[in-house]
Amino acid sequence: GAVVSQHPSWVICKSGTSVKIECRSLDFQATTMFWYRQFPKQSLMLMATSNEGSKATYEQGVEKDKFLINHASLTLSTLTVTSAHPEDSSFYICSARGLSGTQYFGPGTRLLVL
Amino acid sequence: GENVEQHPSTLSVQEGDSAVIKCTYSDSASNYFPWYKQELGKRPQLIIDIRSNVGEKKDQRIAVTLNKTAKHFSLHITETQPEDSAVYFCAASTSGGYNKLIFGAGTRLAVHP
Repeated sequence: GAVVSQHPSWVICKSGTSVKIECRSLDFQATTMFWYRQFPKQSLMLMATSNEGSKATYEQGVEKDKFLINHASLTLSTLTVTSAHPEDSSFYICSARGLSGTQYFGPGTRLLVL
Repeated sequence: GENVEQHPSTLSVQEGDSAVIKCTYSDSASNYFPWYKQELGKRPQLIIDIRSNVGEKKDQRIAVTLNKTAKHFSLHITETQPEDSAVYFCAASTSGGYNKLIFGAGTRLAVHP
């Protein structure tokens, strides 16, 4: 149990385009999901907390207008990187929190902006 | 806010030896401390966790200890095997709010046959 999927697994796009990443909890309902960014050989940096039916809570330094988060249902949260630039290239990972409080991670999305 | 420091950044051991990774946290309200293992290009996998009402927890070759007074917790891996080679992250969380996890910088463990 406690499976989290993420789509797409990788994406290459041109600078200036927008990219949408989906995070789904497959076998449990998650009122809270989290979005992280991980640069090579670095730790996971929390970007925002996504709550079903309400606005996301962003960490300091993360632009909410650039990283749009929508948590439309108890099993789906989306992250849209708007007007992506090369510096946005990274590994984006979501997690979903189960009833016990444990966070289960998705497989990640590798974004490359050319 | 919470800050988690993790040491060492790299650790190299011989197969069969023990490995110890240490973390300290700053927020005394933190009460949940998971450890994740991440292999290259893959998702972090929870390997063990501990809550603040417990001082030690063990699962086969893996154990975690927590010292609330000193605000530090450690991961112990005994009888290491080459497949234990990965990056290990500690994290800390409070029960209030949305339980967001603050991660340490990670430890790259290499187990040599």
